[in-house]
Amino acid sequence: DTGVSQDPRHKITKRGQNVTFRCDPISEHNRLYWYRQTLGQGPEFLTYFQNEAQLEKSRLLSDRFSAERPKGSFSTLEIQRTEQGDSAMYLCASSSNREDGQPQHFGDGTRLSIL
Amino acid sequence: DAKTTQPPSMDCAEGRAANLPCNHSTISGNEYVYWYRQIHSQGPQYIIHGLKNNETNEMASLIITEDRKSSTLILPHATLRDTAVYYCIVRGGYDYKLSFGAGTTVTVRA
Repeated sequence: DTGVSQDPRHKITKRGQNVTFRCDPISEHNRLYWYRQTLGQGPEFLTYFQNEAQLEKSRLLSDRFSAERPKGSFSTLEIQRTEQGDSAMYLCASSSNREDGQPQHFGDGTRLSIL
Repeated sequence: DAKTTQPPSMDCAEGRAANLPCNHSTISGNEYVYWYRQIHSQGPQYIIHGLKNNETNEMASLIITEDRKSSTLILPHATLRDTAVYYCIVRGGYDYKLSFGAGTTVTVRA
């Protein structure tokens, strides 16, 4: 179990640029989640995949955000035309659905700073 | 998902047990109690979860009251590295998202 891996750990970009983050979940986990965390707040849910299907998106996920999980393994989160308010930590988590109540395991996130 | 109430902060002494309370009076029968912690600049770390019975693992113990309206996370021998924000979350077993509140900021002092 190598844990959830996220890349990059830090991203600094200018307002208006596009950015893409990658998440590699724990290998046997079929569920994958994205959360966003701003300074001083707890993480907030963005979206959820079961295998390659995106089953739920939060209202926080504006049209500039898109997430994919093309083969049911790794996932990418893209933000187009970044804005100052997009500055946050973007967290990925994964879990198994083998049993009821399986916990989510988080990566260490990608910290995005918009100049 | 049921809401949870936690104290905003707690101090504890290194080497002593840390008992972190959580109230979840509106919990439903199929909802689990999860505990996570977050150390600065890291992602949330899963600690333990339970449905009805008390649970123990290598990190902590979880005590759930018989009526399930509250629970306590016990760190048996707190170390300085246990300083973190601790989140108590209630979620149905097959629900897909975790709803994080403000958590309890635990400071372990030497």
